[in-house]
Amino acid sequence: AQTVTQSQPEMSVQEAETVTLSCTYDTSENNYYLFWYKQPPSRQMILVIRQEAYKQQNATENRFSVNFQKAAKSFSLKISDSQLGDTAMYFCAFMKLYYNRDDKIIFGKGTRLHILP
Amino acid sequence: EPEVTQTPSHQVTQMGQEVILRCVPISNHLYFYWYRQILGQKVEFLVSFYNNEISEKSEIFDDQFSVERPDGSNFTLKIRSTKLEDSAMYFCASRAGGSYNEQFFGPGTRLTVL
Repeated sequence: AQTVTQSQPEMSVQEAETVTLSCTYDTSENNYYLFWYKQPPSRQMILVIRQEAYKQQNATENRFSVNFQKAAKSFSLKISDSQLGDTAMYFCAFMKLYYNRDDKIIFGKGTRLHILP
Repeated sequence: EPEVTQTPSHQVTQMGQEVILRCVPISNHLYFYWYRQILGQKVEFLVSFYNNEISEKSEIFDDQFSVERPDGSNFTLKIRSTKLEDSAMYFCASRAGGSYNEQFFGPGTRLTVL
């Protein structure tokens, strides 16, 4: 079974600073996807960034980037130039690569991030 | 931009009552999911649905739960006899076919069981 672990329950940083959220996972699969989801106070689940395990290049989306270390099973999220709107709960998540079939997303427990003015 | 919608946004019910949570997935999507999030905890998979049948369900999804796609547009989650511990946020998600397509989440229904 796959597991996702986020060891930082809560973090606070000053606006405009860079922050890194940690995530480790465990799987015996070789092909899979990893995600970071953002959940603001509205509780809507918003996909921030996605990484395919077969790609060595780390994914980036504007101010958001990941450090994907497949051998170490580590998948951290870096937020650069943090903004007040980044305040949210962030979930690391895993999904098997399962061609043309559905599969569930497995979430970590989340890191609550506060961006301070 | 197409989006997944869920109704109601908040449902309050008495223990033992039946509730139906409704979702309208994105129109050309083929795979449908329910997840739940107990307050302060992680999001957990409940069930996936494809081609009018359940593809996978978690141990949480016991006989009290059922899903249905009654009319080709709605996707419902029914809880037959609610318990206090069913109080949670319930998220519907859907995705298109193919080897990978993003699961799009709805805004959630907050269920409160008294």
